[in-house]
Amino acid sequence: AQSVSQHNHHVILSEAASLELGCNYSYGGTVNLFWYVQYPGQHLQLLLKYFSGDPLVKGIKGFEAEFIKSKFSFNLRKPSVQWSDTAEYFCAVNAPGNQFYFGTGTSLTVIP
Amino acid sequence: DVKVTQSSRYLVKRTGEKVFLECVQDMDHENMFWYRQDPGLGLRLIYFSYDVKMKEKGDIPEGYSVSREKKERFSLILESASTNQTSMYLCASSSVGQGTDTQYFGPGTRLTVL
Repeated sequence: AQSVSQHNHHVILSEAASLELGCNYSYGGTVNLFWYVQYPGQHLQLLLKYFSGDPLVKGIKGFEAEFIKSKFSFNLRKPSVQWSDTAEYFCAVNAPGNQFYFGTGTSLTVIP
Repeated sequence: DVKVTQSSRYLVKRTGEKVFLECVQDMDHENMFWYRQDPGLGLRLIYFSYDVKMKEKGDIPEGYSVSREKKERFSLILESASTNQTSMYLCASSSVGQGTDTQYFGPGTRLTVL
């Protein structure tokens, strides 16, 4: 079975700091990769996704992620975080047409 | 925009009760999913369905069943609720086809079993 690891469980940053959240997966074949975000009291929303092509993917709200196939990684980045980025972030993987596997989530707190 | 709705935001039930959680999507998606979300454990798949009247077990199906009689509706059933089923339940749907594997989530139902 596939698995997804998010190594950072809780991250606390000051506004304007740079962010990088790690995500590694275990699956040898073609995968689709996703980052979802859950703001306090809201439902899960898609932040960005990678299906194929350019391994550097840009999402909403200034987020981006880079797919490094050799490292089985899909790390999320943002150059300058804002207080409104406080949320829980989930990495997810699926082999096309198959079920999703989610990481355990990273809770981000941004201090004004 | 895809809309996935769940019948209740908050639900409180007693041990042993039968519980129904309803999910409806309005985008004619073939696939529907039920997850539970627990702190430190992320999202775990309970059941999913690729078509009407079809169901597949996910990673933690024990104590749950599902029903999909219509394409837009996917129900999760707790036959006899137990306290360890206290959790946030999330429904999701997705379409089928190359490049369309994106799941859209409902707002969640926070179930408390006393």
